Amino acid sequence: EDQVTQSPEALRLQEGESSSLNCSYTVSGLRGLFWYRQDPGKGPEFLFTLYSAGEEKEKERLKATLTKKESFLHITAPKPEDSATYLCAVQAEGYSTLTFGKGTMLLVSP
Amino acid sequence: NAGVTQTPKFRVLKTGQSMTLLCAQDMNHEYMYWYRQDPGMGLRLIHYSVGEGTTAKGEVPDGYNVSRLKKQNFLLGLESAAPSQTSVYFCASRNAGADTQYFGPGTRLTVL
Repeated sequence: EDQVTQSPEALRLQEGESSSLNCSYTVSGLRGLFWYRQDPGKGPEFLFTLYSAGEEKEKERLKATLTKKESFLHITAPKPEDSATYLCAVQAEGYSTLTFGKGTMLLVSP
Repeated sequence: NAGVTQTPKFRVLKTGQSMTLLCAQDMNHEYMYWYRQDPGMGLRLIHYSVGEGTTAKGEVPDGYNVSRLKKQNFLLGLESAAPSQTSVYFCASRNAGADTQYFGPGTRLTVL
């Protein structure tokens, strides 16, 4: 059974204070690892897909990295508008569905 | 393009009532998914469809039925609602040739 564990559950940062969110996973064979952002009262918004260990992707202040056991979402010099819940999900090889973690709620204070 | 839309946005039901949630996408995606999201539980897959006329069970299918009569629509039905089905429901879709799922805005359902 595929499992995704995200840590921490919640994170409070000051504006400009860089940090990382963790996503640990177990899957029989990884097809892809996905990061989504979810604002309160809205649907998840796609950020990144990572396919193989060592891969990195960046978007503005966010950088996602992948190893064989975990992924990190690095947030550099965050701003209050980066406040959201960040979701991690995995897709196993040969399957068309995602398994999601419970998310990390990020709050960035001015 | 409107992307993925969901109807209704909010609904309150009494125990035992039935209802249908509608998901529509205008991206010509083959795959469509229904999830529920509960505090502390994350997104859990209810049912999904890999094409018109096909459906499959996800992680938490009990108490729900689905139909995909048209490629652009995916309906989620509750025949006899229970308080345990109080949740936020999200629909998603994706192209068969790509991996990324795109989500709708959600339906908040309360069962009293």
